[in-house]
Amino acid sequence: LAKTTQPISMDSYEGQEVNITCSHNNIATNDYITWYQQFPSQGPRFIIQGYKTKVTNEVASLFIPADRKSSTLSLPRVSLSDTAVYYCLPDTGRRALTFGSGTRLQVQP
Amino acid sequence: GAVVSQHPSWVICKSGTSVKIECRSLDFQATTMFWYRQFPKQSLMLMATSNEGSKATYEQGVEKDKFLINHASLTLSTLTVTSAHPEDSSFYICSARVGGVSTDTQYFGPGTRLTVL
Repeated sequence: LAKTTQPISMDSYEGQEVNITCSHNNIATNDYITWYQQFPSQGPRFIIQGYKTKVTNEVASLFIPADRKSSTLSLPRVSLSDTAVYYCLPDTGRRALTFGSGTRLQVQP
Repeated sequence: GAVVSQHPSWVICKSGTSVKIECRSLDFQATTMFWYRQFPKQSLMLMATSNEGSKATYEQGVEKDKFLINHASLTLSTLTVTSAHPEDSSFYICSARVGGVSTDTQYFGPGTRLTVL
């Protein structure tokens, strides 16, 4: 399984754009990159998934360069409610996901 | 996205008793469901893979006789913590995959907080 590396924590202010980068140097050819958000005492919530280039949905954008060794989750204009832990995971689409430590994002007013 | 529910959302029990946690896929069928455990300030740890109509597959270090998993239908998997002890107190989360446009996506339930006194 591809190992991922994310910053342990990040701080931001309301209204700012937040970019969280994840390193996955040995990602497999069949792996997608999936990002989840988790609030305390809740199950992880799917945010976005991509294979390469750029994917955008109503809550975030995901940038994956051509070499696919990293990915960046972009959260536009964060609010206090975006304070959570964000996980980057390689996903084969079949096996159970293996979670790393994630990035704890703290949004300040 | 697909909806996965869990019941109960929290449970408190005495040491030595058994507790059953239900995981349901509400708007899709799931031949495979996954059970995770999360201790405070830690990440999710996969406990087992639940397969409809067959035995569950447990991760290394997870006692299969203590954590009984039953996946009797395509929408329901249950985790029973037998003879629970305080060290079993944790947040238990189930999940299931749903087919998407490009690949299957794993959706998670809201979790069940187990406290063993």
